[in-house]
Amino acid sequence: GQQVMQIPQYQHVQEGEDFTTYCNSSTTLSNIQWYKQRPGGHPVFLIQLVKSGEVKKQKRLTFQFGEAKKNSSLHITATQTTDVGTYFCAVQGAQKLVFGQGTRLTINP
Amino acid sequence: DAGVTQSPTHLIKTRGQQVTLRCSPKSGHDTVSWYQQALGQGPQFIFQYYEEEERQRGNFPDRFSGHQFPNYSSELNVNALLLGDSALYLCASSRPRGSSYNEQFFGPGTRLTVL
Repeated sequence: GQQVMQIPQYQHVQEGEDFTTYCNSSTTLSNIQWYKQRPGGHPVFLIQLVKSGEVKKQKRLTFQFGEAKKNSSLHITATQTTDVGTYFCAVQGAQKLVFGQGTRLTINP
Repeated sequence: DAGVTQSPTHLIKTRGQQVTLRCSPKSGHDTVSWYQQALGQGPQFIFQYYEEEERQRGNFPDRFSGHQFPNYSSELNVNALLLGDSALYLCASSRPRGSSYNEQFFGPGTRLTVL
């Protein structure tokens, strides 16, 4: 089945610094979804990417899907304390989601 | 419009016991999926229910079973609990099949502790 590897596992930044997490697969992905899970919370859907080379923005968040559809990234510009949490990429396949291991973001205010 | 709801919030059981977790999907959703999330890990797919039948199953033993009711709500049952079953159990619902969007809406989860 499809698997995705996510790096880094942890990232600590100063407030105001940028943050990027990467999601990689050895096989071509039909789509990629990104979720955010706050500490003690549940995953919340952020976005879905489907097209090769697709780039989508949500305020300070930029999501990219690679040209070969084997990797994706989430970039946060000028992090804020509200960005704290774990960011997961996930692949939708055969009606189920396969999640990466997540990148846990902590921020020093 | 209520989102996905789950009960109970927390549960403590001992090894060998059985547990039932409950989930009500978001209004308008007919498909329910269950995930297990161990501490520090990503959610792992257990199974999915649609039209009251199990449609997809992840790599979980038969001790994990489920049910979907005509009102689309669902139950997850785990028999013969092991210490390793301690985790956050998440329910997610999604729009009817044929919808172009695959977003899954997660409930707040049930934290199961097995002693």
